[in-house]
Amino acid sequence: DAGVTQSPTHLIKTRGQQVTLRCSPKSGHDTVSWYQQALGQGPQFIFQYYEEEERQRGNFPDRFSGHQFPNYSSELNVNALLLGDSALYLCASSRVPGLAGGTGANVLTFGAGSRLTVL
Amino acid sequence: LAKTTQPISMDSYEGQEVNITCSHNNIATNDYITWYQQFPSQGPRFIIQGYKTKVTNEVASLFIPADRKSSTLSLPRVSLSDTAVYYCLVGASYSGAGSYQLTFGKGTKLSVIP
Repeated sequence: DAGVTQSPTHLIKTRGQQVTLRCSPKSGHDTVSWYQQALGQGPQFIFQYYEEEERQRGNFPDRFSGHQFPNYSSELNVNALLLGDSALYLCASSRVPGLAGGTGANVLTFGAGSRLTVL
Repeated sequence: LAKTTQPISMDSYEGQEVNITCSHNNIATNDYITWYQQFPSQGPRFIIQGYKTKVTNEVASLFIPADRKSSTLSLPRVSLSDTAVYYCLVGASYSGAGSYQLTFGKGTKLSVIP
């Protein structure tokens, strides 16, 4: 059973360019969250997609956008790249508990990440 | 979202038990406490989750006092391979229609010494 897969694993861009990162969630998961992790820092929440809609968003500018497809896979797009966008971008999938009351908190399964370097 | 506070780093010798404490004073009634482990250049990996008292699985134990304002991750007999960053997260209780988010702090960097 494949876990979360992300592509590409590494990429280099120059300032002002645009980048698209892709994520396939773990089988059976329907929710995808994206995180940015700068060197030496904890992952910072970018946004989350469920039922093809952005449900939550962290403190990131509109240059960061995303999409979720009917098969639950997701893309993260970053426009007008800045040097400060250099980071490890992590995709995490989870499954929303049933509507009959909250039974535990959602456990995230992370991919290995996409390492973006902006020159 | 409940904020968490953890020690920045800890050192331990191989074979010892390691306890990492996390403070979360404003935890909400519906919040759960979840710990993740992260190795360099990898995504975080789920370790354990609990709501109150004690939870144990094959890799760790989680102790949560009655007031739930803190929690302690206990790793028995650590080895060199346990050297990693450990994150304590609070929240992400299901609130309907998948609307939730998890906030990571800076984590605790555990170094296991031979």
